[in-house]
Amino acid sequence: SAVISQKPSRDICQRGTSLTIQCQVDSQVTMMFWYRQQPGQSLTLIATANQGSEATYESGFVIDKFPISRPNLTFSTLTVSNMSPEDSSIYLCSVEEQRTGYTFGSGTRLTVV
Amino acid sequence: DAKTTQPTSMDCAEGRAANLPCNHSTISGNEYVYWYRQIHSQGPQYIIHGLKNNETNEMASLIITEDRKSSTLILPHATLRDTAVYYCIVRGFQKLVFGTGTRLLVSP
Repeated sequence: SAVISQKPSRDICQRGTSLTIQCQVDSQVTMMFWYRQQPGQSLTLIATANQGSEATYESGFVIDKFPISRPNLTFSTLTVSNMSPEDSSIYLCSVEEQRTGYTFGSGTRLTVV
Repeated sequence: DAKTTQPTSMDCAEGRAANLPCNHSTISGNEYVYWYRQIHSQGPQYIIHGLKNNETNEMASLIITEDRKSSTLILPHATLRDTAVYYCIVRGFQKLVFGTGTRLLVSP
């Protein structure tokens, strides 16, 4: 299965600042997905990122808050903008695979203070 | 996407079989049932998936009822390392929608 590398693995940020999370895959994939997992909660899909087109956001998530880039078939970034303590979560990227459905990165643990 | 219902938590003794149920009564004919688990805030790990036939791999077995409205994930010999949150997901078009999952605690 694909190997996904996420950076940073964790960060502590000041409120009002922005953080960009990188997701690198070791193979070319059509679709990449970004999830958020708030403390003690399940995973919530933020958006789907296709290479060469605008990301598709789920209800409750907007591009101004979570801009996404997808410059090629192996890389994507998610930015968490103008952060508040409510943005403290684990952010995960995921790719679709033929055999296993989806493979997930190990996540970025974000704490906003 | 079809919604799934799982028990909030379950306990299992080490070495015994863990049977995790999932209801998905609104599943459509072409939707697959996927199972993932998440160990202590790591990224979710794929376990198994199926459409209508029972499936088995090196990790687990998946039993899907004939009407496809429910399924059971079976870990045949649970170990302490199987303690995790298990998610049953009915896969919609090109995306996974996670429910609340079952927190499985395997005890000595």
